[in-house]
Amino acid sequence: RKEVEQDPGPFNVPEGATVAFNCTYSNSASQSFFWYRQDCRKEPKLLMSVYSSGNEDGRFTAQLNRASQYISLLIRDSKLSDSATYLCVVNGENNDMRFGAGTRLTVKP
Amino acid sequence: DVKVTQSSRYLVKRTGEKVFLECVQDMDHENMFWYRQDPGLGLRLIYFSYDVKMKEKGDIPEGYSVSREKKERFSLILESASTNQTSMYLCASKRDRVTEAFFGQGTRLTVV
Repeated sequence: RKEVEQDPGPFNVPEGATVAFNCTYSNSASQSFFWYRQDCRKEPKLLMSVYSSGNEDGRFTAQLNRASQYISLLIRDSKLSDSATYLCVVNGENNDMRFGAGTRLTVKP
Repeated sequence: DVKVTQSSRYLVKRTGEKVFLECVQDMDHENMFWYRQDPGLGLRLIYFSYDVKMKEKGDIPEGYSVSREKKERFSLILESASTNQTSMYLCASKRDRVTEAFFGQGTRLTVV
């Protein structure tokens, strides 16, 4: 079983839609959590950290449920520029950093 | 401006060759990582290092080794390249568990 599991999608949504991505992790000792964004043929870049209390950055909301070992990302009012692959990232107790396989999002006009 | 530099963007090597992929960061980060990225499989952790001369195996270390003689440089070595090691290789560094990781632009390696 992979340590970090993500729905691979693809998700194809119209502009203005709300879309949610989910991620589960297997190691209960995991320490910190992130969402990264990767554009085509580019390296991943940090989108946002995920905190236990949940956190919001503009149209993006991230949530963490430690009991269920589950992370989510909600994007409201999708823009064309949100089209990318979204990667769930989990940091373990040994400073290892593991990625989900990524969920591809395409926002259409 | 933070920077992680990988020595080559594209590389073509022959089966059986010894291949060195170099990664240098200028942020004085403790932690460095090597991944390979393949379609449908995402980024898979090969090796990581949390300090100079320290290394830990990731999920797919077979066929690879690493070297970290200086804090800023983390090298990935393919001892005897094989065609199934054709992939995009990404290096990353980060200061600690809770901070952002920065990536190099990747090396697309083709083994023929």
